[in-house]
Amino acid sequence: SYVLTQPPSVSVAPGQTARISCGADNIQSKAVHWYQQKPGQAPVLVVFDDDDRPAGIPERISGSNSGNTATLTISRVEAGDEADYYCQVWDTSGDHLYVFGTGTKVTVL
Amino acid sequence: QVKLVESGGGVVHPGGSLRLSCAASGFTFRSYGMHWVRQAPGKGLEWVTFIRYDGGNTYYADSVKGRFFISRDNSKNTLHLQMNSLRAEDTAVYFCAKEMMNYLTFDSWGQGTLVTVSS
Repeated sequence: SYVLTQPPSVSVAPGQTARISCGADNIQSKAVHWYQQKPGQAPVLVVFDDDDRPAGIPERISGSNSGNTATLTISRVEAGDEADYYCQVWDTSGDHLYVFGTGTKVTVL
Repeated sequence: QVKLVESGGGVVHPGGSLRLSCAASGFTFRSYGMHWVRQAPGKGLEWVTFIRYDGGNTYYADSVKGRFFISRDNSKNTLHLQMNSLRAEDTAVYFCAKEMMNYLTFDSWGQGTLVTVSS
């Protein structure tokens, strides 16, 4: 099965930049999507198709995908960005067609 | 705007059954594929199942294949998940989610309903 590996946690000071990685074999060949999930809430799509943003998502949230790593970047981090973040791809090789990453907890110091 | 409201969660004994529903509004339900995604307590997201816009095709994660069945009623804008032979490891919040047109991802989610499998 296709495994998406994320760091368990990332800590960042307000105003700084947070980068969350999502690693997998040749992930650049896939479209990567990212979700933000705050405690007790449903996930929210923040980036789709590697680097596009849904309406209402601020420009300081961006995505990229190259080689074996996709990255979600949050610039000028705010307290409200504290959440869990998940990457996701579609893959037919394993037992889940839609595969989620292991998740990263972003803590704003 | 898009609204998805799940219902039907609760506590069930191992081996029991439960039927979840998701009421959709704010979009043309019959035009979109729909999913169920679950999240065990304190754990990550796990895709469970998908149904095509017209109900013509369904797909399941191996972990639920043969036990869970997804269906939809486009006349009532409702999605269902019939869960049979429930196990402790099925304990989770179950979210319904709308497929994003032309992209293999989910652009809207419900608030989720908690299913607890326990004796």
